[in-house]
Amino acid sequence: DTAVSQTPKYLVTQMGNDKSIKCEQNLGHDTMYWYKQDSKKFLKIMFSYNNKELIINETVPNRFSPKSPDKAHLNLHINSLELGDSAVYFCASSPVQDLSTEAFFGQGTRLTVV
Amino acid sequence: AQSVTQPDIHITVSEGASLELRCNYSYGATPYLFWYVQSPGQGLQLLLKYFSGDTLVQGIKGFEAEFKRSQSSFNLRKPSVHWSDAAEYFCAVGGAGGSYIPTFGRGTSLIVHP
Repeated sequence: DTAVSQTPKYLVTQMGNDKSIKCEQNLGHDTMYWYKQDSKKFLKIMFSYNNKELIINETVPNRFSPKSPDKAHLNLHINSLELGDSAVYFCASSPVQDLSTEAFFGQGTRLTVV
Repeated sequence: AQSVTQPDIHITVSEGASLELRCNYSYGATPYLFWYVQSPGQGLQLLLKYFSGDTLVQGIKGFEAEFKRSQSSFNLRKPSVHWSDAAEYFCAVGGAGGSYIPTFGRGTSLIVHP
């Protein structure tokens, strides 16, 4: 069983479209994250949720809206996609909101905006 | 603010040779330090972490890292590299004194020659 699963794995779409990436974890973790990895491999935190509550929102455009229907799911919706949104997006989870615990990452979603 | 520097973008080694990947960090308090590995098309997997205690930390897959406070470094080592170790390696820093979200370095790409 995959611990943290994201769908889709690849997403190619045109500028201006709206798209969603889904993330589910079956580890029973309280905390989930979205990270963005750009073309230079820089990995930056976008959002962090703890028990469905937004904890961290790191200077991300309003076009990005996370949704957590329950603590096992953290979906990312992106409106009006731009070329610069092309990146690999990683979902992750950890047992608690605490650095002493390991973060488990999904396989990533490679988003290409054309 | 916390930051991580991985000075080597690419490292090439021969299979069976020893490996050292460099990581320098900046953090105002006692750091939590991590090394993650990202295999092609995969998410990040934790190799090892340091919070306190013994400054030489053992991880999975035969990796180890040494925390040197005087040099603000946390270099990753492996005595004998296998072809399957070819991947992207990320160092990360965080701590209870600041943001609990780790800051990642830019990554070092490891290439292994047969």
